[in-house]
Amino acid sequence: GESVGLHLPTLSVQEGDNSIINCAYSNSASDYFIWYKQESGKGPQFIIDIRSNMDKRQGQRVTVLLNKTVKHLSLQIAATQPGDSAVYFCAERTGGFKTIFGAGTRLFVKA
Amino acid sequence: EAQVTQNPRYLITVTGKKLTVTCSQNMNHEYMSWYRQDPGLGLRQIYYSMNVEVTDKGDVPEGYKVSRKEKRNFPLILESPSPNQTSLYFCASSSGTGRFPYNEQFFGPGTRLTVL
Repeated sequence: GESVGLHLPTLSVQEGDNSIINCAYSNSASDYFIWYKQESGKGPQFIIDIRSNMDKRQGQRVTVLLNKTVKHLSLQIAATQPGDSAVYFCAERTGGFKTIFGAGTRLFVKA
Repeated sequence: EAQVTQNPRYLITVTGKKLTVTCSQNMNHEYMSWYRQDPGLGLRQIYYSMNVEVTDKGDVPEGYKVSRKEKRNFPLILESPSPNQTSLYFCASSSGTGRFPYNEQFFGPGTRLTVL
């Protein structure tokens, strides 16, 4: 497997519980935010996005919350499943197409 | 199948030997980008391209070159690779445009490069 997950913050949850993954972003001018999931040996995969004119967006089992006041983004996963185990990255898009990724959080789901 | 492909998937080379990593997408996307991923650092953007013949630097462009002569291809060139360019590289594409940049990026499977 890949070694990109070394030294990452880790969240361990029980299967069926809800997960909350947090991210602090850097640029107050960023206007678009995305959460990606990366499984071992694969490229990042889009989960959900949110524009800066919103503070909440829901998808299937996932919710993203944006707090621009404190430059904080969170990803909530409902009823976490073993298949949700992965590294999760937040990303902010600044100035059009320049994208900055967070360092990532590893999610472990215990059966 | 809509996808981003990269070649090679794995490469071991020596310092100073020029190499090219190819990236191709079949989704007619205007936007393409290269990232490198290192342990504990997440993904860092190397270069991106908003359309044919339009490229711009990301956060870590030193030691890399790119070209965008066709919409579907965005090769990454290392003219004189060095050991600090040992990394996992990802290419990505998006349908977002300058007028509407709010679209997800689709990532390729990655290229593991080792420079000895």
